[in-house]
Amino acid sequence: EADIYQTPRYLVIGTGKKITLECSQTMGHDKMYWYQQDPGMELHLIHYSYGVNSTEKGDLSSESTVSRIRTEHFPLTLESARPSHTSQYLCASSVSGTLGGYTFGSGTRLTVV
Amino acid sequence: AQTVTQSQPEMSVQEAETVTLSCTYDTSESDYYLFWYKQPPSRQMILVIRQEAYKQQNATENRFSVNFQKAAKSFSLKISDSQLGDAAMYFCAYRRINIGNSGYALNFGKGTSLLVTP
Repeated sequence: EADIYQTPRYLVIGTGKKITLECSQTMGHDKMYWYQQDPGMELHLIHYSYGVNSTEKGDLSSESTVSRIRTEHFPLTLESARPSHTSQYLCASSVSGTLGGYTFGSGTRLTVV
Repeated sequence: AQTVTQSQPEMSVQEAETVTLSCTYDTSESDYYLFWYKQPPSRQMILVIRQEAYKQQNATENRFSVNFQKAAKSFSLKISDSQLGDAAMYFCAYRRINIGNSGYALNFGKGTSLLVTP
């Protein structure tokens, strides 16, 4: 079944660690996005990609980085995690040229201690 | 950037009753897309309904319908015959028509938490 997958679902990690949040989709969507969802539940766009080898920063400044080497894969990396990075991270994808909506992953809830 | 405002942080409805969630947005564009998304607790966000701004007819999906008032920049969601499974966070979102690749990004409101009581 076509879908978008995020791993891990929950992650508790110590300050200073490097982490990578995985996001993969099986729908062949060209556009992919990362949103940060804070405790108040508001969503902020932090990264997006419109195709392989193309990435852009979103509206909310983030210390994370992303890569898009394959269409289906859009991982997010934090080189040195800090407590301020504690949040939920949602990955989504969409198709060009349609009335997209997004397809969302289930999210990764990150806690940095 | 376009802003989306949901003025109701929380709403409550009894099972089988009707509830309306409010959303307003700010844009200078004449054509765009609007969406309502549902995020159940600890579950995946899913699309509830969408509206193209150039269409005057309000979108409807089963028990969910919208009241789209373009001049007022208002896009409310009506849920009829509310069910316990409707309890979730509801987000209103705006998307530009494709103007460059960044136009695909959705701008979300802060969400409305809907409680459904038996």
